[in-house]
Amino acid sequence: AQSVTQLGSHVSVSEGALVLLRCNYSSSVPPYLFWYVQYPNQGLQLLLKYTSAATLVKGINGFEAEFKKSETSFHLTKPSAHMSDAAEYFCAVSRGSQGNLIFGKGTKLSVKP
Amino acid sequence: DSGVTQTPKHLITATGQRVTLRCSPRSGDLSVYWYQQSLDQGLQFLIQYYNGEERAKGNILERFSAQQFPDLHSELNLSSLELGDSALYFCASSTLAGGKSSYNEQFFGPGTRLTVL
Repeated sequence: AQSVTQLGSHVSVSEGALVLLRCNYSSSVPPYLFWYVQYPNQGLQLLLKYTSAATLVKGINGFEAEFKKSETSFHLTKPSAHMSDAAEYFCAVSRGSQGNLIFGKGTKLSVKP
Repeated sequence: DSGVTQTPKHLITATGQRVTLRCSPRSGDLSVYWYQQSLDQGLQFLIQYYNGEERAKGNILERFSAQQFPDLHSELNLSSLELGDSALYFCASSTLAGGKSSYNEQFFGPGTRLTVL
């Protein structure tokens, strides 16, 4: 069975600091991995996706994630946090041939001025 | 704007009632997925339709049902509502059925917030 675990339900950083949101996956087949962002009272927006091409994936808004098979991780990073990055972030894996997404519990990112 | 529309935006109803949530996928997308987001369970997959046919089922209760119509819009029907059904219900659409490839970029609508009193 496939699953994702997000470490830390809340992460707080200062504006301009590095953002690191952790995601570990469990999958018996090569996974397809995604990061989504949810701003307050809005739907989910795709930040980036890993589909077995490059292991370092660049997404929107300056975010990137690195797929590490040996660590079964897909952590999300951004070199310099901006106030507008405050949101909830979800890591997800695509479930086998059915295609539906299995989400982690989410990490709420706060950015302090 | 993802191109996926959901109506209504908010719905307040009483226990025991039945409601219908509507979703219109992005133009050209054949797959529709329904997800439930609640504080207790997080984001959970409910059901998927592809071109009018049910393709996959997740943690969907028997009191819930869905369908996809010939024009590709989808409806999620929730009946005998309970307090615990209060949640945000998302619809997502994709071009793929899921088939042999798991690569499946899904575009999410803004959601319908259901409150059961």
